[in-house]
Amino acid sequence: NAGVTQTPKFQVLKTGQSMTLQCAQDMNHNSMYWYRQDPGMGLRLIYYSASEGTTDKGEVPNGYNVSRLNKREFSLRLESAAPSQTSVYFCASGALGEQYFGPGTRLTVT
Amino acid sequence: GENVEQHPSTLSVQEGDSAVIKCTYSDSASNYFPWYKQELGKRPQLIIDIRSNVGEKKDQRIAVTLNKTAKHFSLHITETQPEDSAVYFCAASRNSGYSTLTFGKGTMLLVSP
Repeated sequence: NAGVTQTPKFQVLKTGQSMTLQCAQDMNHNSMYWYRQDPGMGLRLIYYSASEGTTDKGEVPNGYNVSRLNKREFSLRLESAAPSQTSVYFCASGALGEQYFGPGTRLTVT
Repeated sequence: GENVEQHPSTLSVQEGDSAVIKCTYSDSASNYFPWYKQELGKRPQLIIDIRSNVGEKKDQRIAVTLNKTAKHFSLHITETQPEDSAVYFCAASRNSGYSTLTFGKGTMLLVSP
């Protein structure tokens, strides 16, 4: 089992460009999550999907959209990237409270 | 919403010593408390967790204690080794279904040989 996978690993965008971060899990989990990690700020929840067909905002949703494509896949879209969105993005999936993280995407917006 | 405070932000110990990291939470309805270890450039990994129906849980050299009355929980690492060096995050959540976790800001643990 691959667990939780994310693509791409690294990305550089110019201000105003758009992109989609992809996440997939093969653990048959109902719930999936997107976090951002900034130095000294811990992990902050952007959006989550409790089950296929549902999505909800987390702590820092502004500037992002998500799509729960099916049970396995949960994507995060930046419509118009800003330098404040420079961060490391982690996807996670989980069941019974436990969450398992993907390897992360390091995004730089110039 | 939930607020999780974590202390200390950095902790330096000698190999073989014990290390303790403490977290407090604000939501008395929280009932699940995991700990994650994140090595430099890697993903956070779940190392141990505790649910509110127990006060302590051990797994080899690591243990977690929970005091629901005081709303705090702690991670204890005994006989520390250099490979324990990492950032440790505590978290709390209200339920065990699709629960959203609220994380502390992390503790950087450095174990010197």
